[in-house]
Amino acid sequence: DAKTTQPTSMDCAEGRAANLPCNHSTISGNEYVYWYRQIHSQGPQYIIHGLKNNETNEMASLIITEDRKSSTLILPHATLRDTAVYYCIVRDPNDYKLSFGAGTTVTVRA
Amino acid sequence: GAGVSQSPRYKVAKRGQDVALRCDPISGHVSLFWYQQALGQGPEFLTYFQNEAQLDKSGLPSDRFFAERPEGSVSTLKIQRTQQEDSAVYLCASSLGPTSGQETQYFGPGTRLLVL
Repeated sequence: DAKTTQPTSMDCAEGRAANLPCNHSTISGNEYVYWYRQIHSQGPQYIIHGLKNNETNEMASLIITEDRKSSTLILPHATLRDTAVYYCIVRDPNDYKLSFGAGTTVTVRA
Repeated sequence: GAGVSQSPRYKVAKRGQDVALRCDPISGHVSLFWYQQALGQGPEFLTYFQNEAQLDKSGLPSDRFFAERPEGSVSTLKIQRTQQEDSAVYLCASSLGPTSGQETQYFGPGTRLLVL
């Protein structure tokens, strides 16, 4: 059972911000939102995670709505190397597994 | 430092052959995971080790699949009598601590298995 809904694909322009949406309307109070990405022929790569507050690191920012039913991953200045499948994952803190959906295929165009 | 490595990167097997896929986790990582990724889909959990103990093998699709981690470091995923539906990318991941939903998992590049 998918806990998240993401668009199948999206394009963005190189140098511009990429905003990747994710819906998780059934998220529980203690579940985290994780983002991973998978560049072609590589394994998934951790990007960022959050519970309630917005988070930022050197790769991206994560904005979680107040009701926690949706979130947005922001890549501030997309480059061609950011072309990948991006996975939004809702994760119980007691669950060691990662449950991937189909993700969003993001294509950054020059 | 070195990340998770997997070998071989590519494997072609004839239907009915046995295959063994190797994973070298990040040194010192307690937890090790195997995932299977079919073409065009996200990875799906197969099994989990904490040190040498296999704590969860609920995702293994059949008894032809077997995984081990005898010394708590390197792990091997073995598939006996391969079938065409076993064709997929097999990903290994490791994390520093024991079971926790907050541990970051670091993935290897995967082994792409093609069964003819």
